[in-house]
Amino acid sequence: QSALTQPPSASGSPGQSVTISCTGAGHYTYVSWYQQYPGKAPKLVISEVSKRPSGVPDRFSGSKSGNTASLTVSGLQAEDAADYYCCSYGGSRWVFGGGTKLTVL
Amino acid sequence: QVQLVESGGGLVKPGGSLRLSCAASGFIFSDYNMNWIRQAPGKGLEWVSYISSSGSTIYYGDSVQGRFTISRDNAKDSLYLQMNSLGVEDTAVFYCAREDTHSNPGTFDIWGQGTLVTVSS
Repeated sequence: QSALTQPPSASGSPGQSVTISCTGAGHYTYVSWYQQYPGKAPKLVISEVSKRPSGVPDRFSGSKSGNTASLTVSGLQAEDAADYYCCSYGGSRWVFGGGTKLTVL
Repeated sequence: QVQLVESGGGLVKPGGSLRLSCAASGFIFSDYNMNWIRQAPGKGLEWVSYISSSGSTIYYGDSVQGRFTISRDNAKDSLYLQMNSLGVEDTAVFYCAREDTHSNPGTFDIWGQGTLVTVSS
């Protein structure tokens, strides 16, 4: 299964939009995104490329184009500062991206 | 509420063994596929192993194949990970995670709080 590549960091000011990319996800239908605060367990924010679980703010959205999946956080808030991981499912194994640290300036 | 609680982590010497447990509550455990995922200190997430709801299908990541064994006891609502031949590279927080089997395959919708495994002499 191919590796997933994410930028190590991303940043934006409150109210702005930020997009985090995940390259290598083109072959996979099941791409999910997880938010993780320091010392805490990850939390699902996007499933199956673009589905948003109940309770996740609609500021979070997912998409895929070609070989790259993306997570967009609109209207950035201070609480969005966290690590974000993409993940692909290939039928008999899962692969995580290396993670992106999102900073809210 | 829906909850996963891991236990069994601790300090172990290289070459040693450890068995992790994950107790599930708040949902019908036997209906869901389960996984172990780990995170080395300061590093990213790494999928470790999968077991189907019945226990009949099991997968492992390359780095643990042949050393780790996943199992479950649906009567006890519990998931396990037997870890043998541990090396310093296995030092990590280990999370059990539920796959959202019916609504969002391939997605981990519930995570435990994690249990720390430290391999050191």
